[in-house]
Amino acid sequence: DAMVIQNPRYQVTQFGKPVTLSCSQTLNHNVMYWYQQKSSQAPKLLFHYYDKDFNNEADTPDNFQSRRPNTSFCFLDIRSPGLGDAAMYLCATSTGDQETQYFGPGTRLLVL
Amino acid sequence: SQQGEEDPQALSIQEGENATMNCSYKTSINNLQWYRQNSGRGLVHLILIRSNEREKHSGRLRVTLDTSKKSSSLLITASRAADTASYFCATADTNAGKSTFGDGTTLTVKP
Repeated sequence: DAMVIQNPRYQVTQFGKPVTLSCSQTLNHNVMYWYQQKSSQAPKLLFHYYDKDFNNEADTPDNFQSRRPNTSFCFLDIRSPGLGDAAMYLCATSTGDQETQYFGPGTRLLVL
Repeated sequence: SQQGEEDPQALSIQEGENATMNCSYKTSINNLQWYRQNSGRGLVHLILIRSNEREKHSGRLRVTLDTSKKSSSLLITASRAADTASYFCATADTNAGKSTFGDGTTLTVKP
């Protein structure tokens, strides 16, 4: 079935140790998003790609980077995770930048 | 701050009752979307309503949009325990190339 896949579902990392989260999609959608969601809060958009065009949110820390090597894959790199970066990270896709978003199951990141 | 503000923050009802959640926003929008999120999972799209539409239905869900009041409501009729989840609205600002999520309403449906 067409879907948005995130790996891993749970990630434990150490304070300051770089970590990469991955997202893949079989929907062939133009737009891919990365959100950070902390407990009982709204998803917070970190950045999104419209095809290869990268759009960074103004308040996304420099510690967060992203790569989209092709249509299907998008990666979130956290260069030096801090305790405050522990959260659920959600990937989503859509056909256009204001259209319905299809979310993956999320990766829960724990920073020790 | 988030574009959409949802009300109430939390809602607890008995199975079989109707649940109504509201979303208010501040700017002109192209569309408004409602999503559901079960605990620890990703969001699932429910309904997208465009700015020229006033009401949409999907099964037990009914969404209204009042652009003059800059507000939307999500009605879930005949609720079930499985409807227990957080519900988020997302507004597509006409001047922004993205949608912005509200803070959500946590719905608990007691069996």
